[in-house]
Amino acid sequence: GAVVSQHPSWVICKSGTSVKIECRSLDFQATTMFWYRQFPKQSLMLMATSNEGSKATYEQGVEKDKFLINHASLTLSTLTVTSAHPEDSSFYICSASLPSGGGFNTGELFFGEGSRLTVL
Amino acid sequence: DAKTTQPPSMDCAEGRAANLPCNHSTISGNEYVYWYRQIHSQGPQYIIHGLKNNETNEMASLIITEDRKSSTLILPHATLRDTAVYYCIVRSSSRDDKIIFGKGTRLHILP
Repeated sequence: GAVVSQHPSWVICKSGTSVKIECRSLDFQATTMFWYRQFPKQSLMLMATSNEGSKATYEQGVEKDKFLINHASLTLSTLTVTSAHPEDSSFYICSASLPSGGGFNTGELFFGEGSRLTVL
Repeated sequence: DAKTTQPPSMDCAEGRAANLPCNHSTISGNEYVYWYRQIHSQGPQYIIHGLKNNETNEMASLIITEDRKSSTLILPHATLRDTAVYYCIVRSSSRDDKIIFGKGTRLHILP
């Protein structure tokens, strides 16, 4: 079945450094991917919609200069946390939809395994 | 804001059916009801979805009321591995339509 994969699954970095997280759709093309963050014991919060070949659309309150999103190909979106600080420590999750038709479920959204970021 | 409301937590005895309710009174005609679950420290896992008719797959059954304002996810024989947070979501079938998560229901399976 369709799979969305994230890398790395966990990362520890020093305060002030930048961290890049990759999200890949392994056996389908995804023109749109979504990025979420999740704090402990809380629900997923949508950060931004990543659009292939164009600028990402950020949700209200999410700093676009802090969380850089690049969707350069139909199978890869990246999230870069710039100048990370301890408050950026979180679980980051990406997702993508299958295309409609061709035997795929309508609008079914698949999620990556998540990337846990710890900023010291 | 999320378009669904769910009880924050539920308990279910192992081997029994787990019935998780969801209210979505403002659902639009083109919106589907999706259910996902999230096991600790993992990405959400798709369970089932439906538009109007009841649906069943190898994981669960989905019962949608005739007015579509509420639904129930049924796990027929709950096991300890079903312990997770279950999210009910309404969304159109467009692949570009984003998903806004509510707080979900934390399901505890009791041995």
